[in-house]
Amino acid sequence: GQQVMQIPQYQHVQEGEDFTTYCNSSTTLSNIQWYKQRPGGHPVFLIQLVKSGEVKKQKRLTFQFGEAKKNSSLHITATQTTDVGTYFCWDSGYALNFGKGTSLLVTP
Amino acid sequence: NAGVMQNPRHLVRRRGQEARLRCSPMKGHSHVYWYRQLPEEGLKFMVYLQKENIIDESGMPKERFSAEFPKEGPSILRIQQVVRGDSAAYFCASSPYDRESYGYTFGSGTRLTVV
Repeated sequence: GQQVMQIPQYQHVQEGEDFTTYCNSSTTLSNIQWYKQRPGGHPVFLIQLVKSGEVKKQKRLTFQFGEAKKNSSLHITATQTTDVGTYFCWDSGYALNFGKGTSLLVTP
Repeated sequence: NAGVMQNPRHLVRRRGQEARLRCSPMKGHSHVYWYRQLPEEGLKFMVYLQKENIIDESGMPKERFSAEFPKEGPSILRIQQVVRGDSAAYFCASSPYDRESYGYTFGSGTRLTVV
């Protein structure tokens, strides 16, 4: 069956550094949704990517969907302590479960 | 415009008791999903409901767990005869259409502790 792998599992950066998390699939993805969950909090929907090669931006966050729709990435420019949390990618067309995501720690 | 409302936020139950978790979806949302999350784990799908219908319960344990979404009132996730392994955060999410075309709005969750 389809498996979406997200890397890295953990990332620790200094405030101001950039951060990227990647989602890779062996099969074509239907679409990708990205969520953020703060420690002790609940997941919050960030964005959905549907089209091949799609790029969307939200302030310092840039989301990309690969040309072959087999991968996606989330890039944060100049991280802030408010970016701390776990970022999940999810193919809502096929998958039921979310993976472990990437846990981002930002130190001042 | 209230979001997805879950209660209680925290629930402590002794082994063998029943746990009842409630979820009121966002206004206008007719699709409700329940997920379970263990510490430092992803979200595991449990059940997908619409009003008065269970659409997909493939993630529900076969025994002790049940869910409903009645015509009136919140969706209820019921766990009978709880065991320590049921301790987890339970999140409810809602969407106005199916999950593929619209992102979820999650509630704040119910943290269940079985002692």
